[in-house]
Amino acid sequence: GAGVSQSPRYKVAKRGQDVALRCDPISGHVSLFWYQQALGQGPEFLTYFQNEAQLDKSGLPSDRFFAERPEGSVSTLKIQRTQQEDSAVYLCASSPERGRIYEQYFGPGTRLTVT
Amino acid sequence: ILNVEQSPQSLHVQEGDSTNFTCSFPSSNFYALHWYRWETAKSPEALFVMTLNGDEKKKGRISATLNTKEGYSYLYIKGSQPEDSATYLCAFGRGSTLGRLYFGRGTQLTVWP
Repeated sequence: GAGVSQSPRYKVAKRGQDVALRCDPISGHVSLFWYQQALGQGPEFLTYFQNEAQLDKSGLPSDRFFAERPEGSVSTLKIQRTQQEDSAVYLCASSPERGRIYEQYFGPGTRLTVT
Repeated sequence: ILNVEQSPQSLHVQEGDSTNFTCSFPSSNFYALHWYRWETAKSPEALFVMTLNGDEKKKGRISATLNTKEGYSYLYIKGSQPEDSATYLCAFGRGSTLGRLYFGRGTQLTVWP
């Protein structure tokens, strides 16, 4: 079946622009995660949704970062007024029911470059 | 800050060589340890998830072991092939932050034909 998809795959933004990154999880998956991987680092947790509820947003690096999942399916990560340090690969993952929350399936990521 | 360390950072081997990588993580509040394989331009692919001390998992030529008391896991690849070339990530899950994975920086493996 279809895996997790993300769009766009690549995004170049000028500093100060707003961007929106989309994640389509596996159909029926309850949980959705966003991670950020900066160059030379491992992926770092940003935020977590269970259905439409954002249960943990402690990893969002600043108030310029905002994530939503209004209908408990597709999620969007929005970054306002992008800065160079926002350049990274943004990974989305989904997992089935709550008892299998660590069974996370990843998308291919969106590579964001801020110039 | 919760540290998950992986070594080596990169590895170059010849086809047919066997190799292993290490992941170390905090031994307290352990919930799960994952290994992922990530090829360039593709999605990270789950290799193993381990939850019990002493767990050993095997998939074809790849196997992994887990020691939660001392906080380490090994990933072994027997008879490396060029298609094994990828970045191997380990990720640690804690009981107190359910769902959130803490990743190491990965080991980049290149297998030369």
